[in-house]
Amino acid sequence: AQSVTQPDIHITVSEGASLELRCNYSYGATPYLFWYVQSPGQGLQLLLKYFSGDTLVQGIKGFEAEFKRSQSSFNLRKPSVHWSDAAEYFCAVVSGGYNKLIFGAGTRLAVHP
Amino acid sequence: NAGVTQTPKFQVLKTGQSMTLQCAQDMNHNSMYWYRQDPGMGLRLIYYSASEGTTDKGEVPNGYNVSRLNKREFSLRLESAAPSQTSVYFCASSERPTGELFFGEGSRLTVL
Repeated sequence: AQSVTQPDIHITVSEGASLELRCNYSYGATPYLFWYVQSPGQGLQLLLKYFSGDTLVQGIKGFEAEFKRSQSSFNLRKPSVHWSDAAEYFCAVVSGGYNKLIFGAGTRLAVHP
Repeated sequence: NAGVTQTPKFQVLKTGQSMTLQCAQDMNHNSMYWYRQDPGMGLRLIYYSASEGTTDKGEVPNGYNVSRLNKREFSLRLESAAPSQTSVYFCASSERPTGELFFGEGSRLTVL
């Protein structure tokens, strides 16, 4: 069965520092991969997605992610974190058809001034 | 732009009571979904509707029923609420099978 693992439950970084959030997936075929962000009390917003092609994908708010098939990973990165990036981040993979997303447990990001 | 609207936003129930969570989208999307979010577990799919007139079970369907009332509306019903159903529930919609999911703001349900 498909699964998504986010090894880091909680990460704290200083404002202006770089960020990498890890995501590993288990999926037999070519995966459709997503990163979503959830601000407190809000729904989820799509940051970026990978379907095929270039393995480095750009998203909104200055985020990017790199698909590495050999490592079954889809890590999210940002070169310089802003205080407004404090939120919970979810990696997800499509399971079967009709966009049935399987989510990881999430990584909560705190940003220190 | 309303997007995906869920009601109610908060609800407290006693064990055994029933209730329905309502969801409506104004983006003319074909597919709609109900997820529940619990701490440390991410979001888990309860039911989905690939298109109007169809519904299918997700990962955790037990204790829930759904109705795709029309293309816009997809409701989730708890017939006999249990404390294990205390959670935050999210409705989502998408235009096509591999498209972006658009989420509502969530409905926080507490079952005492």
